[in-house]
Amino acid sequence: DTGVSQDPRHKITKRGQNVTFRCDPISEHNRLYWYRQTLGQGPEFLTYFQNEAQLEKSRLLSDRFSAERPKGSFSTLEIQRTEQGDSAMYLCASSLHTEPQHFGDGTRLSIL
Amino acid sequence: GENVEQHPSTLSVQEGDSAVIKCTYSDSASNYFPWYKQELGKRPQLIIDIRSNVGEKKDQRIAVTLNKTAKHFSLHITETQPEDSAVYFCAARGGGADGLTFGKGTHLIIQP
Repeated sequence: DTGVSQDPRHKITKRGQNVTFRCDPISEHNRLYWYRQTLGQGPEFLTYFQNEAQLEKSRLLSDRFSAERPKGSFSTLEIQRTEQGDSAMYLCASSLHTEPQHFGDGTRLSIL
Repeated sequence: GENVEQHPSTLSVQEGDSAVIKCTYSDSASNYFPWYKQELGKRPQLIIDIRSNVGEKKDQRIAVTLNKTAKHFSLHITETQPEDSAVYFCAARGGGADGLTFGKGTHLIIQP
């Protein structure tokens, strides 16, 4: 078990483009979370899945953001029509039920 | 929703001294309070957590205390070492929600 894996580690894109990130949780973990972290701030919760069901979404998750976890294993987070304010580190975490959440290394998104 | 305040934002202590970081939360239904350590460019790592049915928890040099009445919890690190230098985040999980709400972080600096 190598922990939570995220891909890519760094994404640079032009404003207005769409981007997609992938997260592979720890294999037996049924819960998967997405957070966003900007410089000098703590992570901010975006959304979470229990198995394949998306159970909670933050008001931070605008309609340009969509997340999926189709088979209850890996998850993708897509941002459409990226804006400058989307530049951040996108962190994924997973847990087994209500056990502690373990984070991945994140995907750093830079919008040109 | 939940709101977590963390103080201080920066804490400098002499090696071997103790460090205390304090957090307050707003949702009286919050029931789980983890602490994460994040080194520069790395993932947040869980160092200790406490649930609302416990007042104190200790793991070697690290301890966390929880006062539910006052809605605050604190991280105590004793006999600090250079490798304790990092940013520490407190977080709370509110009743009825599974996403964590994080504080803004404390940059702990251990002076040799």
